[in-house]
Amino acid sequence: NAGVTQTPKFQVLKTGQSMTLQCAQDMNHEYMSWYRQDPGMGLRLIHYSVGAGITDQGEVPNGYNVSRSTTEDFPLRLLSAAPSQTSVYFCASSPSDTSGGWITGELFFGEGSRLTVL
Amino acid sequence: AQSVTQPDIHITVSEGASLELRCNYSYGATPYLFWYVQSPGQGLQLLLKYFSGDTLVQGIKGFEAEFKRSQSSFNLRKPSVHWSDAAEYFCAVPRGFGNEKLTFGTGTRLTIIP
Repeated sequence: NAGVTQTPKFQVLKTGQSMTLQCAQDMNHEYMSWYRQDPGMGLRLIHYSVGAGITDQGEVPNGYNVSRSTTEDFPLRLLSAAPSQTSVYFCASSPSDTSGGWITGELFFGEGSRLTVL
Repeated sequence: AQSVTQPDIHITVSEGASLELRCNYSYGATPYLFWYVQSPGQGLQLLLKYFSGDTLVQGIKGFEAEFKRSQSSFNLRKPSVHWSDAAEYFCAVPRGFGNEKLTFGTGTRLTIIP
């Protein structure tokens, strides 16, 4: 199984450009999320989704947009890139508990996408 | 909101020595707690989790963690470290009810010396 696949792995943008980070998972997980990782700050949640057609904001949603049209895919869109969005971005998915349906919190991460905004 | 604190930014231990990484949490009720590990250039991988029950939790790669409610701690331990354990370690707790929003600590970088 591929698990969680992110593309591209590296990207350089100019301020004001837009782009989409792709994320796909083949584990049939209902829950997917996007985090950004910055030195000394750990991981911060940008957006998440608990199923197709359902998305919600995390800690740092400004400047990012998401949609969830299928269970497998959860793209992250940067609307107008800013230098403050230079970061490493991680997509993660999580299974639901088979009995209660709640999200287990056991995140499966992709390998990350390193974005530089000039 | 719930939070976690990892007081140690960087720890260096000798190969074969024991290890303890600290994690303190702020949570209104009995929390779900997680430890993740990140090898250089990789995504994070779940080491272990605490949901309820036995306060000593076993994980992968020989790691264990103990939940201590009285100290609001969930420290990660390993009796004897290997060079391959060099990585960054993150503690995490849900921000609210449910596990949809995990908040991560700032991480502890572990260096192993021969």
